[in-house]
Amino acid sequence: QSALTQPPSVSGSPGQSVTISCTGTSSDVGSYNRVSWYQQPPGTAPKLMIYEVSNRPSGVPDRFSGSKSGNTASLTISGLQAEDEADYYCSSYTSITTVVFGGGTKLTVL
Amino acid sequence: QVQLQESGPGLVKPSETLSLTCTVSGGSISTYYWGWIRQPPGKGLEWTGYLYRSGSTNQNPSLKSRVTISVDTSRNQFSLKLRSVTAADTAVYFCARVLPSAHDAFDIWGQGTMVTVSS
Repeated sequence: QSALTQPPSVSGSPGQSVTISCTGTSSDVGSYNRVSWYQQPPGTAPKLMIYEVSNRPSGVPDRFSGSKSGNTASLTISGLQAEDEADYYCSSYTSITTVVFGGGTKLTVL
Repeated sequence: QVQLQESGPGLVKPSETLSLTCTVSGGSISTYYWGWIRQPPGKGLEWTGYLYRSGSTNQNPSLKSRVTISVDTSRNQFSLKLRSVTAADTAVYFCARVLPSAHDAFDIWGQGTMVTVSS
């Protein structure tokens, strides 16, 4: 299974919105509404931010939202804050009952 | 609340077996699904495998022939064994709980343990 494709980096200024894409195939993202997003500040464990494309776990701010179109899922962070600076990873369930992660995107808050 | 803690040797010799344990506290291991995820230094996350409530497992196809995931319900622990390791297996290894309502999202993670493969 190949890793999902994410842009290596994105950036935005405080208050702005940024969107991170996650492109897979018809064997994973395109066939299942089972895409998750994780936030990982340096030196820490990942934190679940979105599951099943657009659901937020309790405690995650509603500034974080997810969507999907075809083989591409997206994470949008609105009202960007300095504390949002981190690496972000998407993941998807696959047709062979496994999980595949994206390569990660480094978000820089300017 | 559920908490996870990985433990095991930080250094393993090439061709030997990497063995890690995840201790679950604050909840019964039999209630949830669990997983292992690893992250090579400076690189992305890689799903390693699942442990289902039934005790059955599922592994990353790229590692399947070398990986064993098992459970010890009496100790509320589950384990990862990776055989015939090479330098490419050097990584931070995380154990995590699968979100009960979404069987492929990890909602609680251990802090991770660094394993280096080197002679």
